[in-house]
Amino acid sequence: KNQVEQSPQSLIILEGKNCTLQCNYTVSPFSNLRWYKQDTGRGPVSLTIMTFSENTKSNGRYTATLDADTKQSSLHITASQLSDSASYICVVSEGGSQGNLIFGKGTKLSVKP
Amino acid sequence: NAGVTQTPKFQVLKTGQSMTLQCAQDMNHEYMSWYRQDPGMGLRLIHYSVGAGITDQGEVPNGYNVSRSTTEDFPLRLLSAAPSQTSVYFCATARSGYNSPLHFGNGTRLTVT
Repeated sequence: KNQVEQSPQSLIILEGKNCTLQCNYTVSPFSNLRWYKQDTGRGPVSLTIMTFSENTKSNGRYTATLDADTKQSSLHITASQLSDSASYICVVSEGGSQGNLIFGKGTKLSVKP
Repeated sequence: NAGVTQTPKFQVLKTGQSMTLQCAQDMNHEYMSWYRQDPGMGLRLIHYSVGAGITDQGEVPNGYNVSRSTTEDFPLRLLSAAPSQTSVYFCATARSGYNSPLHFGNGTRLTVT
């Protein structure tokens, strides 16, 4: 069964620190992997999309990595800010259609002053 | 440029009532979709459309109807609300192409009593 597993479920860090969120998937065939940020009470916002051939992609202080061989991805947040407090959702596209997106349950990040 | 607009933001229904959740976009995106988000679960696809006049079922379509008469609008109808439909509903759009990011609205929080 196609699955996307994220870890940890939740994380608390101090402002200014770095952190890394993990995503493991079993989706096949694979088209692309996406990371979204969801603030409380808002819809998810796209951070990155990576295809099979891309192993690193950055968006400001957010850097996503992809190892398609081991089916693992990570999202690294550098110099965290209070505004980074949100849920981060890993999504894997099964291939060929926007209708076949497999969503992880998300990691809830809290950044404390 | 409003992006994706969902109305209403909140709604309380009694079991058996019907209602329509509205979604409008001004980005001229061909792809539109409805998701529901429940605690402890990833987003799940209800219905989607790849263009005006074309709709298809997602993972959890039972109890919901959609239509797509224009590019801009994609309403979601609950035919006879049930407590199991208590959830947060998100509309999401994308340009054509499987590597296009989804653009989400800010959701409708629905409670069925």
